[in-house]
Amino acid sequence: NAGVTQTPKFRILKIGQSMTLQCTQDMNHNYMYWYRQDPGMGLKLIYYSVGAGITDKGEVPNGYNVSRSTTEDFPLRLELAAPSQTSVYFCASSPQGGYGYTFGSGTRLTVV
Amino acid sequence: KNEVEQSPQNLTAQEGEFITINCSYSVGISALHWLQQHPGGGIVSLFMLSSGKKKHGRLIATINIQEKHSSLHITASHPRDSAVYICAVSVNNAGNMLTFGGGTRLMVKP
Repeated sequence: NAGVTQTPKFRILKIGQSMTLQCTQDMNHNYMYWYRQDPGMGLKLIYYSVGAGITDKGEVPNGYNVSRSTTEDFPLRLELAAPSQTSVYFCASSPQGGYGYTFGSGTRLTVV
Repeated sequence: KNEVEQSPQNLTAQEGEFITINCSYSVGISALHWLQQHPGGGIVSLFMLSSGKKKHGRLIATINIQEKHSSLHITASHPRDSAVYICAVSVNNAGNMLTFGGGTRLMVKP
């Protein structure tokens, strides 16, 4: 099993550009999440999904959008990138009970 | 005040030492997770616990629900244990979404 796969690993964006961070899991987990990790800060929840077709906002959703058309995929869309979105982004998944929480390897995004 | 507080923020130990990292939280939780993050690397789940104690190899995690406190212990520490250790909680009625502590940066010197 590959677990949670995130692409790309690194990206530099110019202010105002858009991009999609890809996330795929092969563990048939219902729950998927996007977190961001800023230097010296704890991870914060951007969006989450409890199943295909269902998404909801987390603590810091502004400037992002998500979709969940299949159980496996949970892409994160950045529209009009801003320097404040410079961060490391982690996708994660878990079964309903939470045991077996699995994180992707992260995407380091810099907006200049 | 953060809902999840870890101490210490930074810890340096000599190889072989016994290490304790502490986590306190101020909300009702359904579970607590200990995670490990190597420099520039991804995040790995070490433990998920809702009561008592769990052990895996040289790692031991305990939780006291009444005191809202958890500890992660590393016995016979080794330089490869050098990493950031993160405490995170699943808050009651918030599904599986995690609220994270700020992490403890551990360096084990040979």
